[in-house]
Amino acid sequence: ELKVEQNPLFLSMQEGKNYTIYCNYSTTSDRLYWYRQDPGKSLESLFVLLSNGAVKQEGRLMASLDTKARLSTLHITAAVHDLSATYFCAVPLTSGTYKYIFGTGTRLKVLA
Amino acid sequence: DAGVIQSPRHEVTEMGQEVTLRCKPISGHDYLFWYRQTMMRGLELLIYFNNNVPIDDSGMPEDRFSAKMPNASFSTLKIQPSEPRDSAVYFCASSPPGQVFAQPQHFGDGTRLSIL
Repeated sequence: ELKVEQNPLFLSMQEGKNYTIYCNYSTTSDRLYWYRQDPGKSLESLFVLLSNGAVKQEGRLMASLDTKARLSTLHITAAVHDLSATYFCAVPLTSGTYKYIFGTGTRLKVLA
Repeated sequence: DAGVIQSPRHEVTEMGQEVTLRCKPISGHDYLFWYRQTMMRGLELLIYFNNNVPIDDSGMPEDRFSAKMPNASFSTLKIQPSEPRDSAVYFCASSPPGQVFAQPQHFGDGTRLSIL
């Protein structure tokens, strides 16, 4: 059974600080997806990582994938209040499937 | 693009009633997904369709749940009879054809369902 674990589950940080969210998964996968969800809102796609060593950056967020370690990181640089949200990673259950297993989510609160 | 459209946004009903949730995917998208989100279980895939055909329904919790996609622009998720433990936010998502795994899923705003 594929397990996708994120840590931390909750993160409160000051504006301007850097931090990293981790996503570990238990079986082989060469793809991983990151989403953002604001409270009471829908999920918004952030990054699609399709191979080992993939790195994507958008604004203050940077995501990377290490398929050998079964680990993805979402790095936040100089956090701002607008980044407050819950962040999810998702991994396909098996190769070639659209059945994603979502992580538990990391609730990020950036304090002004 | 109008995005994925779900209706209703909120539904409150009594236990035992039939509930129908509706979804209109983004035009041109040929994958459609139904998810359920709860505090206890997180985000779970219930079923997904490709070209209106159900591909994987292994996440459908019980026979009380059914989903249909009669055409490329409409899908329903039905719960009959509903129970309080079905209370959750139900999301519909769609994804385009071509390089499918390189494309993220586009989520609707969800239906917040409360069963009393």
